[in-house]
Amino acid sequence: GAGVSQSPSNKVTEKGKDVELRCDPISGHTALYWYRQSLGQGLEFLIYFQGNSAPDKSGLPSDRFSAERTGGSVSTLTIQRTQQEDSAVYLCASSLRTENSPLHFGNGTRLTVT
Amino acid sequence: AQKITQTQPGMFVQEKEAVTLDCTYDTSDPSYGLFWYKQPSSGEMIFLIYQGSYDQQNATEGRYSLNFQKARKSANLVISASQLGDSAMYFCAMREGTGDMRFGAGTRLTVKP
Repeated sequence: GAGVSQSPSNKVTEKGKDVELRCDPISGHTALYWYRQSLGQGLEFLIYFQGNSAPDKSGLPSDRFSAERTGGSVSTLTIQRTQQEDSAVYLCASSLRTENSPLHFGNGTRLTVT
Repeated sequence: AQKITQTQPGMFVQEKEAVTLDCTYDTSDPSYGLFWYKQPSSGEMIFLIYQGSYDQQNATEGRYSLNFQKARKSANLVISASQLGDSAMYFCAMREGTGDMRFGAGTRLTVKP
């Protein structure tokens, strides 16, 4: 079946502009995650959605970052007033809600802020 | 709060030899799962192996095995008979219960011919 889909694959924006990144998880996966990965670095946790529960937003680096998940499926990560330090690959992943379920990752959105 | 530590930024191994990538974790939750992922230079994240906190035996998947030492809170990945295609970044991750998953900083493995 289809995997996790992210769009756009690449995004170049000017400093100060807002951007929206989209994630379409695997059908039936109730858990959805956003991570940020700078070049050569690890995965920085941003936000976690699980079913209808309140999302875990503890990883969002500032109030310029927000995310929503509509209808328990598609998620959008929004970055307002982008800064150059926001440049990174943004990875989305989904999984089933069981302890041993691995994450299935999308190919990421490479964001470049000029 | 959960924490994952990978102390080896880079490792080298000769082709066909075994290599161990270290991972330690910290959690107060008795129920947790440990995962290893591989990220080749192409950027995709590939799930390798899983170990549950209540599992009595070390997990194995082909050439991958997990050396799980619960009392020491370590979950080292062992790759046997290394291949050139094993060169990649390797990430250890932990999930507490059915919660979110946090990752370590990663180890870059280079397999030498």
